[in-house]
Amino acid sequence: NAGVTQTPKFRVLKTGQSMTLLCAQDMNHEYMYWYRQDPGMGLRLIHYSVGEGTTAKGEVPDGYNVSRLKKQNFLLGLESAAPSQTSVYFCASSYRSPVQETQYFGPGTRLLVL
Amino acid sequence: RKEVEQDPGPFNVPEGATVAFNCTYSNSASQSFFWYRQDCRKEPKLLMSVYSSGNEDGRFTAQLNRASQYISLLIRDSKLSDSATYLCVVNSYSGYSTLTFGKGTMLLVSP
Repeated sequence: NAGVTQTPKFRVLKTGQSMTLLCAQDMNHEYMYWYRQDPGMGLRLIHYSVGEGTTAKGEVPDGYNVSRLKKQNFLLGLESAAPSQTSVYFCASSYRSPVQETQYFGPGTRLLVL
Repeated sequence: RKEVEQDPGPFNVPEGATVAFNCTYSNSASQSFFWYRQDCRKEPKLLMSVYSSGNEDGRFTAQLNRASQYISLLIRDSKLSDSATYLCVVNSYSGYSTLTFGKGTMLLVSP
């Protein structure tokens, strides 16, 4: 049972490049989330999904897009990376609303934008 | 005012000590409260939920004061392995219920 996995673990991008971060969960969870964590800022919600085919904006959605085509996968896209997007990105999932169920996190993706 | 505020620490304590962290939240409509633990360069993991009547899990005790809008975490008999950052988490509503994380309080337990 892998839980929540994230690909890649680490990536270096140049300004203006694009990339997609993949999150996969094998727990049949309905809800999935993308957070970013910066020093001194704590975890901030970027986008989330409450089910296959649905997505919603979180606290800091600008510069990111997401897709949830399959229940087990949640993709985070950066169309034109900026240095301000240098961060650690965590994906999480929960069976139902996070206030009712534990939210499980992936190991994180460290992204450096030069 | 930030939604969830915590003292960043670090709190430096010797093994065996008792240490307490507080957290304040701004949304009086919040209904659910949690403490998560995050080890250095690792993902956050749920430590415990916080219930209105207070709850205990081994050496850990969580309390909620709705009137003053603060949450506390008490750790007794600290272990070296308790060294981590403790995140205070509160639910918020923006269409669907989501979680708002505090910036965390760092605890360092020394021999």
